[in-house]
Amino acid sequence: DGGITQSPKYLFRKEGQNVTLSCEQNLNHDAMYWYRQDPGQGLRLIYYSQIVNDFQKGDIAEGYSVSREKKESFPLTVTSAQKNPTAFYLCASSRKGWDTQYFGPGTRLTVL
Amino acid sequence: QKEVEQDPGPLSVPEGAIVSLNCTYSNSAFQYFMWYRQYSRKGPELLMYTYSSGNKEDGRFTAQVDKSSKYISLFIRDSQPSDSATYLCAMSDNAGKSTFGDGTTLTVKP
Repeated sequence: DGGITQSPKYLFRKEGQNVTLSCEQNLNHDAMYWYRQDPGQGLRLIYYSQIVNDFQKGDIAEGYSVSREKKESFPLTVTSAQKNPTAFYLCASSRKGWDTQYFGPGTRLTVL
Repeated sequence: QKEVEQDPGPLSVPEGAIVSLNCTYSNSAFQYFMWYRQYSRKGPELLMYTYSSGNKEDGRFTAQVDKSSKYISLFIRDSQPSDSATYLCAMSDNAGKSTFGDGTTLTVKP
């Protein structure tokens, strides 16, 4: 059963703590992406990776970090430097860079 | 000014109505146009993908692209309560980064 999984579904953290969101895909896609979605707003690109061991900043990368050590995995770390981290985070993948993107179910992060 | 502007909604229609969802864009380099459907607290799912001006039909859904006017639309015929969701337009250029609209929330009432 192919697809994109994100875990956990809901995440709570205290202010000042770093937290890592998981994203795994078994679609054999080369490219992976992280987006942030706030209520009533569209998707804003945080980071993207078109190939293993390489990634680029998106439009709102400040306060976030990523790694791409394996083709199937693209974890996102929300650091304490992110001023307003409470949001819905979506991971996506595509067959190759900028092909049609397929999304995971999302992780809702709440900072207390 | 945003590169992609989407009719904000929300939109509420009776079951069986024809729904029109619309986006305009300013970047002439956009070549690929997508519509995603997103149910509450879920990830978006791809509905339609097109790259040329004109209409593309898939069941009850029709995607329309007018590159000369920089305008795209999604039409839903015979709308059903299960169509109630937020619809996102997205577009990309040949280099490929996708830009999304803010979404239109649709409610179809039985």
